[in-house]
Amino acid sequence: KQEVTQIPAALSVPEGENLVLNCSFTDSAIYNLQWFRQDPGKGLTSLLLIQSSQREQTSGRLNASLDKSSGRSTLYIAASQPGDSATYLCAVLTGANNLFFGTGTRLTVIP
Amino acid sequence: GAGVSQSPSNKVTEKGKDVELRCDPISGHTALYWYRQRLGQGLEFLIYFQGNSAPDKSGLPSDRFSAERTGESVSTLTIQRTQQEDSAVYLCASSLAFIRGQETQYFGPGTRLLVL
Repeated sequence: KQEVTQIPAALSVPEGENLVLNCSFTDSAIYNLQWFRQDPGKGLTSLLLIQSSQREQTSGRLNASLDKSSGRSTLYIAASQPGDSATYLCAVLTGANNLFFGTGTRLTVIP
Repeated sequence: GAGVSQSPSNKVTEKGKDVELRCDPISGHTALYWYRQRLGQGLEFLIYFQGNSAPDKSGLPSDRFSAERTGESVSTLTIQRTQQEDSAVYLCASSLAFIRGQETQYFGPGTRLLVL
């Protein structure tokens, strides 16, 4: 069974710092990997989707990389802002339409 | 256009009662997913609908859980004889089409279920 792990579980940084969130998965047979943010009381917001044939995707201050063979992905956030404070989840899509989520990294950006 | 909506936003029920949760996907989205997130845990896949195909029920934790979808619109998730372990946030997501590797799922705000 696919297992997705995110490290660290929580991260606190001062405003303006660059940071990296890590995601690892045990089965490299994936169709894509998606990064989400989850705000308290709200649903999930899709940030970036990387297809299995791709190595990275960028959107604004966010850059996500994928190394499928080693089962790893990173989400890089540049020049962090207090509004970036949220829980970040990665999820991999495998066969039979299963989307496996990690437990998330809770990010706090201190003004 | 509106995003995925879910109702109720919060539900408190007594153990043993049945509950029904509703999801309104984005108009035109053929695929619909239900997930649940228990406190401190990651999201668990429950069930998947794609158009008129038979749903993928492989994630349903017990026969007390069932879901229906009318065409490509509203879906309801029903939990019978609720147990305290069913307390969780139930999330619904929809996507435009299931083209493997290319779909982006759009999530609703969730229904917070508390079973006393």
